[in-house]
Amino acid sequence: NAGVTQTPKFQVLKTGQSMTLQCAQDMNHNSMYWYRQDPGMGLRLIYYSASEGTTDKGEVPNGYNVSRLNKREFSLRLESAAPSQTSVYFCASRGTGVSRGGRETQYFGPGTRLLVL
Amino acid sequence: SQQGEEDPQALSIQEGENATMNCSYKTSINNLQWYRQNSGRGLVHLILIRSNEREKHSGRLRVTLDTSKKSSSLLITASRAADTASYFCATEMNRDDKIIFGKGTRLHILP
Repeated sequence: NAGVTQTPKFQVLKTGQSMTLQCAQDMNHNSMYWYRQDPGMGLRLIYYSASEGTTDKGEVPNGYNVSRLNKREFSLRLESAAPSQTSVYFCASRGTGVSRGGRETQYFGPGTRLLVL
Repeated sequence: SQQGEEDPQALSIQEGENATMNCSYKTSINNLQWYRQNSGRGLVHLILIRSNEREKHSGRLRVTLDTSKKSSSLLITASRAADTASYFCATEMNRDDKIIFGKGTRLHILP
């Protein structure tokens, strides 16, 4: 199993350009997440999808859109990139545990490094 | 939004010593997890503790959870150079799949 894969690994954009970050998982997980990581800020949740067909905003959704294309794939789109979106973007997925008290852990992709000039 | 806050922000200790990191959060949770991130890499899950648990062990890791104080601690015993990394706590609230991370503790093990 490849786990969680992300493409591209690196990207340089000019202000105002658009792009889509791709994420796929082969673990049959229900939940998928997009985070961004800036120096000294830890990971901040952009959007998440608890199941196929649903998406919800996280802590910092402005400037982003997402699509849960199917159970495997969850894409993040920047419609008009801004320098403030320069960051490392991580996708994660998680299964659903059977116990009421908790759920399974998240599995992370390797990240996409995005530079917006 | 809720977020865990780790303390300290950075920690340097000698190899062989124990390292303790703390995490505080704001509202009630379903569970709390600790992750490790090596420089330039993705996050790796270390341990999960549920809201009805008080302590959990995994190898050299010991996690405690005090829901009355809304805090957790991660203890790494007999530290090794390979433990040098950033450590994050992540909390899941009760009603949804939203998982929020703290800012992390940067741990440096000195040889």
